[in-house]
Amino acid sequence: KQEVTQIPAALSVPEGENLVLNCSFTDSAIYNLQWFRQDPGKGLTSLLLIQSSQREQTSGRLNASLDKSSGRSTLYIAASQPGDSATYLCAVKLNRDDKIIFGKGTRLHILP
Amino acid sequence: NAGVTQTPKFQVLKTGQSMTLQCAQDMNHNSMYWYRQDPGMGLRLIYYSASEGTTDKGEVPNGYNVSRLNKREFSLRLESAAPSQTSVYFCASKRVRGDYNEQFFGPGTRLTVL
Repeated sequence: KQEVTQIPAALSVPEGENLVLNCSFTDSAIYNLQWFRQDPGKGLTSLLLIQSSQREQTSGRLNASLDKSSGRSTLYIAASQPGDSATYLCAVKLNRDDKIIFGKGTRLHILP
Repeated sequence: NAGVTQTPKFQVLKTGQSMTLQCAQDMNHNSMYWYRQDPGMGLRLIYYSASEGTTDKGEVPNGYNVSRLNKREFSLRLESAAPSQTSVYFCASKRVRGDYNEQFFGPGTRLTVL
């Protein structure tokens, strides 16, 4: 059974620092992996999506990498800002069906 | 495009009451999903619909029913609400472009069952 784990559950860093959020999954037979952002009381916003054949995707200050063989993905945030404070969720889509499995998220707080 | 919309945004029910959560998308997506999000549990799939006229159970379907009314709308019904169904409910739809597919989420419905 596919399981998605995100560590740490919460993270606080000073503004301006670069940081890495981690996501691991138990079954490497994934179709794609997606990173989302969720602000308190709000829905999910898609940040980056990496196909299983890709190694990384970039959007602005965000870079997501994927290593299927080790079952890991990282989300790199450069030059963090207070507006980056949110919960970041990792989700993997399985190969054979239409389901997506979510991690429990990392709650990020950027200190001004 | 409005994207994925959900109604209501908030709802309080008494145990045993019934209600239907509405979801609609205007992006012409085939697949739609219902999730619940609980503290410490993350997002869990309740039901999904790969296309109009089809529905399938997800990870936590018990106590829920769904209807894919047409391509745009996918509703979630609680026939007899229980306190364990207090949660935030998210609807999503999936965009497919060749091998590339991506989910888009609605703003959520916050449900409290007393």
